[in-house]
Amino acid sequence: EADIYQTPRYLVIGTGKKITLECSQTMGHDKMYWYQQDPGMELHLIHYSYGVNSTEKGDLSSESTVSRIRTEHFPLTLESARPSHTSQYLCASSDPGNQETQYFGPGTRLLVL
Amino acid sequence: KNEVEQSPQNLTAQEGEFITINCSYSVGISALHWLQQHPGGGIVSLFMLSSGKKKHGRLIATINIQEKHSSLHITASHPRDSAVYICAVTYQNYGGSQGNLIFGKGTKLSVKP
Repeated sequence: EADIYQTPRYLVIGTGKKITLECSQTMGHDKMYWYQQDPGMELHLIHYSYGVNSTEKGDLSSESTVSRIRTEHFPLTLESARPSHTSQYLCASSDPGNQETQYFGPGTRLLVL
Repeated sequence: KNEVEQSPQNLTAQEGEFITINCSYSVGISALHWLQQHPGGGIVSLFMLSSGKKKHGRLIATINIQEKHSSLHITASHPRDSAVYICAVTYQNYGGSQGNLIFGKGTKLSVKP
């Protein structure tokens, strides 16, 4: 079982609020990812990181930002939430020793009113 | 056209039936992944393939590199197999994004008792 955690699991928030979605893993993986998934749709990569102090934008443009100050922690921040940000956000990390198999967190379901 | 196409999109089966889900891709890959997403949103990696066939319990995954096609089979299906099954590929020589996954839209499987 993967040791990757996300909090909160569910978040309902008003427009304009700043939010941070937390993601932590205890497997010592260098590479981490954030995905966005709308209901019934495929996952889209919005951010990834090769390791500490590394952040890259993914295939899907996102107004969110990420940081990677510690290996185990990869938080995602929205400075001013909007209804268009309503979605599920999934965090993952990958194991270079297992051909980059990805391990996923349980996800955060965000609803912006 | 998506780089990863899955069929069918939706599948309903009776308990005990043999199930096949197909995945086709249009680019050179270094690996193909089958993932399972439960209704709560959590994603589990089932298989990673670069050639041939893998088996785990009642699940079998095959890949034909020349035809750019993979199948996921479930033998003796059970209601607990109900989930979304996602095919994803790791591009070959994807430059700075090596290891990143491109996802299909998923196949929603419902197994009735």
